[in-house]
Amino acid sequence: EVQLLESGGGLVQPGQSLRLSCVASGFTFSSDTMNWVRQVPGKGLEWVSAIIGSAIVGSPAETFYADSVKGRFTVSRDNARNTLWLQMKSLRVEDTALYYCARGRTGTNGLLDYWGQGTLVTVSP
Amino acid sequence: EIVLTQSPATLSLSPGESATLSCRANQSVVIYLAWFQQKPGQAPRLLIYDASNRATGIPDRFSGSGSGTDFTLTISSLEPEDFAVYYCQQRKHWPLTFGGGTKVEIK
Repeated sequence: EVQLLESGGGLVQPGQSLRLSCVASGFTFSSDTMNWVRQVPGKGLEWVSAIIGSAIVGSPAETFYADSVKGRFTVSRDNARNTLWLQMKSLRVEDTALYYCARGRTGTNGLLDYWGQGTLVTVSP
Repeated sequence: EIVLTQSPATLSLSPGESATLSCRANQSVVIYLAWFQQKPGQAPRLLIYDASNRATGIPDRFSGSGSGTDFTLTISSLEPEDFAVYYCQQRKHWPLTFGGGTKVEIK
């Protein structure tokens, strides 16, 4: 059974940093693209970032970002620990949202077939 | 980036009725469009991928159609558990993008 468990959310002030984690199980994590998607409570979904899966040990994984977070957020992964991270810096009030990690189905990049339950990030003065 | 526009924003229907939801892209996404269902307090659930393929475990009252820029999600006979918000999403180009959603509510 595929499971994705996010953690690391919390309340921070504007300008501060936070690191989110997503621990995966039930599939070959290293092969699959992993994504972060966020949702302001009561609003729609916004894709944030992705990191491409690779079966080649030691090769850097390609990453993608939404313009709204480019230069402030960094996505990374540890395939040995089945863990995905999102390092968020220079946080803004508008980054307040529930952050989901989602798997891109094997062989695709953006077919988001499994989602975690999310971790809430609140950025407030 | 590819912009997805969903219509209508809200659909008020009774159980047993049919629902037709639209998603329009501002450029071709070929068939690389998915539909998700989201209920309050829950993560989105994949319903349809690549325009017309039902995801695992999705009832056959859900069907998708379309290609290029115009796509439709049809729910043939609404069950009480189908009242939710539905989103479309494209994966043809980075960045991935979502439509604004259609809320299907009980009339």
